Amino acid sequence: EIVLTQSPATLSLSPGERATLSCRASQSVGGYLAWYQQKPGQAPRLLIYDASNRATGVPARFSGSGSGTDFTLTINSLVPEDFAVYYCQQGINSNSFGGGTKVEIK
Amino acid sequence: QVQLVQSGAEVKKPGASVKVSCKASGYTFDNYALHWVRQAPGQRLEWMGWIHAGNGGTAYGKNFQGRVTILRDTSASTSYMELRSLRSEDTAVYFCARARLRFGNPEYYLNYWGQGTLVTVSS
Repeated sequence: EIVLTQSPATLSLSPGERATLSCRASQSVGGYLAWYQQKPGQAPRLLIYDASNRATGVPARFSGSGSGTDFTLTINSLVPEDFAVYYCQQGINSNSFGGGTKVEIK
Repeated sequence: QVQLVQSGAEVKKPGASVKVSCKASGYTFDNYALHWVRQAPGQRLEWMGWIHAGNGGTAYGKNFQGRVTILRDTSASTSYMELRSLRSEDTAVYFCARARLRFGNPEYYLNYWGQGTLVTVSS
């Protein structure tokens, strides 16, 4: 089973700052990596798929990069609605999710 | 618009089974797959399995094999997830989510989600 490790667990930032979230896989997932945003009491929302493709309707301030075992989600210039928990997911070998990174207001 | 509407909250005793439904609308049901994902309180998302809505093919996560069955009723555009031999650790919100098909197989990424169904397992 492929294990996804996300870091940091919590990121404390102010609106307008840049957030950089990391997701590391225990073995290569190629480019089969997605990112989701989840707010309390809501279902996750797809942001990025295949490592770097933005889903429909996702603002351009969200971008994804990486391949193999190391991936990054970058959120440029945080706005209030971006404070949430972010999960990565791999789909090359079955499916699994990372433990999440909480982006909180500093 | 695409909608996935799930059945309501359930309370079950240990050892029982639960069956959660997910009714799809706004698209051609047979042309997509549905995944099931759960989230225990304060925990990460956990993938349970998927069903190809067209041909009924399924795949299950290793942690659930033998205990979960995912079904679909194409006439009702509805998928069902049945989990058996419930234990307290199965207390979670269960989600269905839609995936596209690529070369006949479900994609892994999920772009539409149901609202979630809380299943509580307690004696």
